[in-house]
Amino acid sequence: DGGITQSPKYLFRKEGQNVTLSCEQNLNHDAMYWYRQDPGQGLRLIYYSQIVNDFQKGDIAEGYSVSREKKESFPLTVTSAQKNPTAFYLCASRETGDEPFFGSGTQLSVL
Amino acid sequence: KNQVEQSPQSLIILEGKNCTLQCNYTVSPFSNLRWYKQDTGRGPVSLTIMTFSENTKSNGRYTATLDADTKQSSLHITASQLSDSASYICVVSFTPNAGGTSYGKLTFGQGTILTVHP
Repeated sequence: DGGITQSPKYLFRKEGQNVTLSCEQNLNHDAMYWYRQDPGQGLRLIYYSQIVNDFQKGDIAEGYSVSREKKESFPLTVTSAQKNPTAFYLCASRETGDEPFFGSGTQLSVL
Repeated sequence: KNQVEQSPQSLIILEGKNCTLQCNYTVSPFSNLRWYKQDTGRGPVSLTIMTFSENTKSNGRYTATLDADTKQSSLHITASQLSDSASYICVVSFTPNAGGTSYGKLTFGQGTILTVHP
């Protein structure tokens, strides 16, 4: 089955701690994205990558970091610099001109 | 600024009734418009996609319309079911004039939360 997998489903962060959200896809898509979703707001773009070893900041990149060492993987690290990290995080992948496919999301909460 | 506004913010209907969700956008230059369904705690799933030249597109009980002149779209749900309870998100894609990307940039509406009661 082709798809995009996010883990974990739920994640808790202590103050001052960095946490990493995993996103893996076996769709052979070049482009991958990370979005943040807050209640009552549209999805906001954090980072995106259109090719291995290259990524670009989105609209709300501060306090986050990513890497794209493999085509299949695009992990997101929420650093201690992100002061309001509680949100639902969605990873997506797509091919040129095609619709994006979304993972099932990770709910991050602060302890 | 490219924006997508959806209304109403939330909607409650009885099972079996019809409903219509609205999406207004200011995105330019327009590429396509998608409607997604998002169940609580899950990722969005595509319902329909429409390009500039399409006025109507159906997917089962879901029918989307697009008026590119007024920059409005609607999603009509017929004979609602309990499983239709979800957030419905309008997503507009535009192609930036510069940057060289061939993917198109996506602008998301805030979603309409639909609750269907028995």
